[in-house]
This record gives sequence, structure tokens and C-alpha cells, in this order.
Amino acid sequence: EPEVTQTPSHQVTQMGQEVILRCVPISNHLYFYWYRQILGQKVEFLVSFYNNEISEKSEIFDDQFSVERPDGSNFTLKIRSTKLEDSAMYFCASSEIRASETQYFGPGTRLLVL
Amino acid sequence: DAKTTQPPSMDCAEGRAANLPCNHSTISGNEYVYWYRQIHSQGPQYIIHGLKNNETNEMASLIITEDRKSSTLILPHATLRDTAVYYCIVRVPYGGAQKLVFGQGTRLTINP
Repeated sequence: EPEVTQTPSHQVTQMGQEVILRCVPISNHLYFYWYRQILGQKVEFLVSFYNNEISEKSEIFDDQFSVERPDGSNFTLKIRSTKLEDSAMYFCASSEIRASETQYFGPGTRLLVL
Repeated sequence: DAKTTQPPSMDCAEGRAANLPCNHSTISGNEYVYWYRQIHSQGPQYIIHGLKNNETNEMASLIITEDRKSSTLILPHATLRDTAVYYCIVRVPYGGAQKLVFGQGTRLTINP
């Protein structure tokens, strides 16, 4: 069964450093998403992406964040200058363009900013 | 998107049916009910969704009341691996890249 994959599974970085989180969505999906979950808190929407453009972004998704689809398979989330409060699980999701548009999630990247 | 209300926690014995309720009294006519679950800190896993008819798949059944103001997710024979946080989410499924809004969900514990 096709699935969303994410790399790395864990990332430790120093405050102020740039990180890139990578996702490979399901191959025939055209909508892509990033969510995050701070330890003990709810899953929060960050951004959605379609046709090489951001469709919607949340207040969390400030100028420090960017997304890109650099080739036909990868979807990346870049945090330019990490802060302590960026420590969280980051989940990528993808969905088809059809009536149900069910989103399927990857296993996540655990980011720890020291 | 309509707001949902779920009990914060529930327990169920292994092998029994787990029935997880969700209230969505402000649901509008074109909004679907989706259920996801999250085991530990893994990515949310899609379970099932429906509009107004009851739905069943290999994982679960979804019962939606006739007025659509509430629904119940049924895990027919719960196993220890079904211990997770279950999220009921209401949203319009079309219109391009619609985000999911997660609440706190119901923490379901399956006891041996």
C-alpha cells in the first residue's frame, strides 16, 4: 500500500541553525501539507501546497518557514533559523484531488532544538 | 468547519466493541465526518469518513445519526493495538487543500 515517507526520523539542531525536513508524498497525490505537534499538545496545521503554490498557511507559518517541491517526488519544509519552541513532531500529509480528499500522514520527524 | 466534542478518555476491554462518540451539532449539509487516530506520537492514521449514511471498512464502522448532529465510531473487536487517541473531525472535503483541524480527541485505552 502506498504511504507517505519522511526523513530524517529524528533531527537535533542548535538554535539558530537551518533545518530541512523532507517528505515523499504518495505518488498520485497533488495536495501536500505540513502539520506539527508540540509534545503533549494538539496536532496543528502549518501549511498546504498545491500546484507549486501555498494554498493556505497558519499563523505559525511565519517568515522563518518555507516549503518547496524541488522535484517530482519530494516536498520539503525549511526552518531558516530554528528556535527552541520549534521543537516538535512535524508531519507531512498528502491527498488526491477527488471528492473525499482524504489526507494520509507520514510517520513524522522529531525535531529537537537545543 | 464545524466544532466537535469528544470525551477526553475511554476504556474498553480487549475483544469487546469500542464505541467512541462525537458530537457535531453545528455540522452543515456539505460537511463530512472524518475519524483519525494517533498511536503514541506516530502520524495520524485515517480510519473512515462519511456524510450521512453509515459506513464500514476493514478497520471500523461509522454510525451517523439521522440529524447528523452526532456520530459513533465502532471498533468491533478491540485489540491492545487499538490503544490510541481518536480524533473526530468535520470538514468540507473539496475545494482544494482543505486543512484538518484536530481537537484533543478521545484517549482510548484497551485493557487486557
